[in-house]
Amino acid sequence: AQSVAQPEDQVNVAEGNPLTVKCTYSVSGNPYLFWYVQYPNRGLQFLLKYITGDNLVKGSYGFEAEFNKSQTSFHLKKPSALVSDSALYFCAVREADRGSTLGRLYFGRGTQLTVWP
Amino acid sequence: DGGITQSPKYLFRKEGQNVTLSCEQNLNHDAMYWYRQDPGQGLRLIYYSQIVNDFQKGDIAEGYSVSREKKESFPLTVTSAQKNPTAFYLCASSIIRAGGRQETQYFGPGTRLLVL
Repeated sequence: AQSVAQPEDQVNVAEGNPLTVKCTYSVSGNPYLFWYVQYPNRGLQFLLKYITGDNLVKGSYGFEAEFNKSQTSFHLKKPSALVSDSALYFCAVREADRGSTLGRLYFGRGTQLTVWP
Repeated sequence: DGGITQSPKYLFRKEGQNVTLSCEQNLNHDAMYWYRQDPGQGLRLIYYSQIVNDFQKGDIAEGYSVSREKKESFPLTVTSAQKNPTAFYLCASSIIRAGGRQETQYFGPGTRLLVL
């Protein structure tokens, strides 16, 4: 079964400090991994994805994520946090497509990031 | 939110009433999805559709129905059988490449459904 765990409901960091939002996953085959961000009463915005290739993926707004196959993790990082980064972050996983089977996304429960000025 | 629109932004349902949430996309995406979001539970898949006139149940389809008569439209009906409909509903869409490879899902702005 495919699943995603975001072990922290909340992450608090001071502006200018580095931030990490953790994500671990479970799939039976090769994973496709995604990060989305959600601002209050808004839809999800795509940040970045890992499909194949370099383990370090760079995305929007200065975010990056590192794929670690041995630890089955895909943590989201940013070197210097901004107050405007405060939002709800979702990690999602999908098994690599096989033939005509549409791979479904499985989401974590979300991590609320608060950046203090 | 791109080219995916959802309406209305807020919807109120009376007991025993069916209500329909609209989702339209102008991205020429093949696949469309409906998710339900409850606090602390992430997103759960209700229904999805890969092509016109075809759709599949997700994890929590009971009490919901959908149609896909046009590529750009995927309305969701919350029926009276759904006893706890209060939630934030999100529509998404994605391209499906040749060979069935699905691209990134993009989301609409959402509809918040409240029960009177």
